[in-house]
Amino acid sequence: AQTVTQSQPEMSVQEAETVTLSCTYDTSENNYYLFWYKQPPSRQMILVIRQEAYKQQNATENRFSVNFQKAAKSFSLKISDSQLGDTAMYFCAFMKPTQGGSEKLVFGKGTKLTVNP
Amino acid sequence: NAGVTQTPKFRILKIGQSMTLQCTQDMNHNYMYWYRQDPGMGLKLIYYSVGAGITDKGEVPNGYNVSRSTTEDFPLRLELAAPSQTSVYFCASSYSSGGAYEQYFGPGTRLTVT
Repeated sequence: AQTVTQSQPEMSVQEAETVTLSCTYDTSENNYYLFWYKQPPSRQMILVIRQEAYKQQNATENRFSVNFQKAAKSFSLKISDSQLGDTAMYFCAFMKPTQGGSEKLVFGKGTKLTVNP
Repeated sequence: NAGVTQTPKFRILKIGQSMTLQCTQDMNHNYMYWYRQDPGMGLKLIYYSVGAGITDKGEVPNGYNVSRSTTEDFPLRLELAAPSQTSVYFCASSYSSGGAYEQYFGPGTRLTVT
């Protein structure tokens, strides 16, 4: 079974600075997807960024980028120019494609990020 | 376009009571999911559906039932509520299967069983 580990329960960063959240995963699969979800105090789960394992290029979405190291099974999220609105729980998640729609997202326990003014 | 809606937002149940958590999506998505999020943890899949009339168990299905009579609705039924079911419940939907298709989440239902 796949597992996702986020080793940083809490982190903080000053506004406008850069922060990196860590995620490692365990799988024997070669083809899969990795995600970072943001959960602000409103509880809404929001997709931040997605990475396909077969793509070597790291995904980027505006201020958010990932460092995907497939051999090391590492998938870190870098937030540049941190904003107060980035304060949230961040979850790393794994998905293995299957036939028939039985894919499920496997989540880590999350990292609570606080952006300080 | 409301996306994924869930009702109620909050609920307190007594041990042994039953209730149904409602989930509706207006995006014509075939795939729908129910997750639970326990304090300090990530989400875990309870049940999922790949289309009307088709449901299957996820990682933590015990104590729950689902049905999918329409594309839009995917209610989750709790029978004989137990304190271990105290959690936040999220419904999600996606157009198709596979990681290329984003799962859209509802706002969640916070359930307390006392």
